[in-house]
Amino acid sequence: QSVLTQPPSVSAAPGQKVSISCSGSSSNIGDNYVSWYQQLPGTAPKLLIYDNDKRPSGIPDRFSGSNSGTSATLDITGLQTGDEADYYCGTWDTSLSVGVFGGGTKLTVL
Amino acid sequence: QVQLVQSGAEVKKPGASVRISCKASGYTFTSHDIIWVRQAPGQGLEWMGWINPNTGGTGFAQQFQGRVTMTSSTSINTVYMELSSLTSEDTAVYYCAREGGLTWFDPWGQGTLVAVSS
Repeated sequence: QSVLTQPPSVSAAPGQKVSISCSGSSSNIGDNYVSWYQQLPGTAPKLLIYDNDKRPSGIPDRFSGSNSGTSATLDITGLQTGDEADYYCGTWDTSLSVGVFGGGTKLTVL
Repeated sequence: QVQLVQSGAEVKKPGASVRISCKASGYTFTSHDIIWVRQAPGQGLEWMGWINPNTGGTGFAQQFQGRVTMTSSTSINTVYMELSSLTSEDTAVYYCAREGGLTWFDPWGQGTLVAVSS
């Protein structure tokens, strides 16, 4: 059971927008920045968003992040078939003194 | 470019130990903590712990306390993660990643598959 809760799957058509939620508590998302990772099949996770809403260089602005209290959201606009992947949120839990991840969300682009 | 390169796949018997290496390049090795994360087949990411390559300081998730050791060698820009008393439940891909801030990790190593089987 993951500390952070994500929907197991989401889907949308090419060109559409999808949102992936990440729910936590006051000791993790409510107290620390959130990051998001994309994991394509058979590859290592790749950083998409850090500090809630910042994009590393090379990440398209189709990917955006936001944070509200104890929840965070990853939005992906202009969906492409190449976006099909697993997406994970992550942060630090101040009470547990450990890093924590969500269980992952599988994105299907129909 | 910043890169982490891990050692190759391992097959171990139950009760054995495994040591995985993670060699860093493209940045000042002692300036960033390294974390270890594992992913069991078909499962999500599980944070295991961190190491400060400069001081050797470490911190581990409770479920790995007493069974995991993390060390570093600044002379060859490499960190190591050793997990002992392996069981089939430790079968997973193990990743190292550079900590950019407390809450984000980039880049990640390519992953090391550890298979535990009798």
